[in-house]
Amino acid sequence: SQTIHQWPATLVQPVGSPLSLECTVEGTSNPNLYWYRQAAGRGLQLLFYSVGIGQISSEVPQNLSASRPQDRQFILSSKKLLLSDSGFYLCAWRTGVRGYTFGSGTRLTVV
Amino acid sequence: SQQGEEDPQALSIQEGENATMNCSYKTSINNLQWYRQNSGRGLVHLILIRSNEREKHSGRLRVTLDTSKKSSSLLITASRAADTASYFCATDSYTGANSKLTFGKGITLSVRP
Repeated sequence: SQTIHQWPATLVQPVGSPLSLECTVEGTSNPNLYWYRQAAGRGLQLLFYSVGIGQISSEVPQNLSASRPQDRQFILSSKKLLLSDSGFYLCAWRTGVRGYTFGSGTRLTVV
Repeated sequence: SQQGEEDPQALSIQEGENATMNCSYKTSINNLQWYRQNSGRGLVHLILIRSNEREKHSGRLRVTLDTSKKSSSLLITASRAADTASYFCATDSYTGANSKLTFGKGITLSVRP
């Protein structure tokens, strides 16, 4: 079956610390993968998307980066977190006519 | 940047009533999608309507799309308390590998039992 996994569910990190969020999908190959961020009470902002291994497109300039080391793995990273990086991070996979399938999200609080 | 703008921002109705939510967008689209988000959770895809479609149904959901007005509506009939959630419209202006969704800010729906 086709599933998407995202972890961790919650994360509290101090300012200046590094970040690594991981997303993996199962049951498909060569998926389009996305990272979105949702600020409190706001819509979703597209951060990065990837159409294949090593292919990353960035939507907004920021303190974050993304990598796709394997076909079904998408990683969101930061070398030094800022307070403004706090938010709810969602990984998504385009499943065609069924729209996008989202992971369960990571609530990041930078303190 | 956000493409879709939903209205109202918040909607409170009684169980059994119908809920109508609207979405407007600015640029041409390939398709429009509606998603639901329960508090603190990921988004769940509800329905996708293509730019050449005008209406689509799925269970208690009915979506319309008017490309001339760049607007869409989501109707939930016979609402239930379990429908309480945030609802987002999202537009996709591209096809295939370039596909990417642009979301509105969402509508908070409260269904009173």
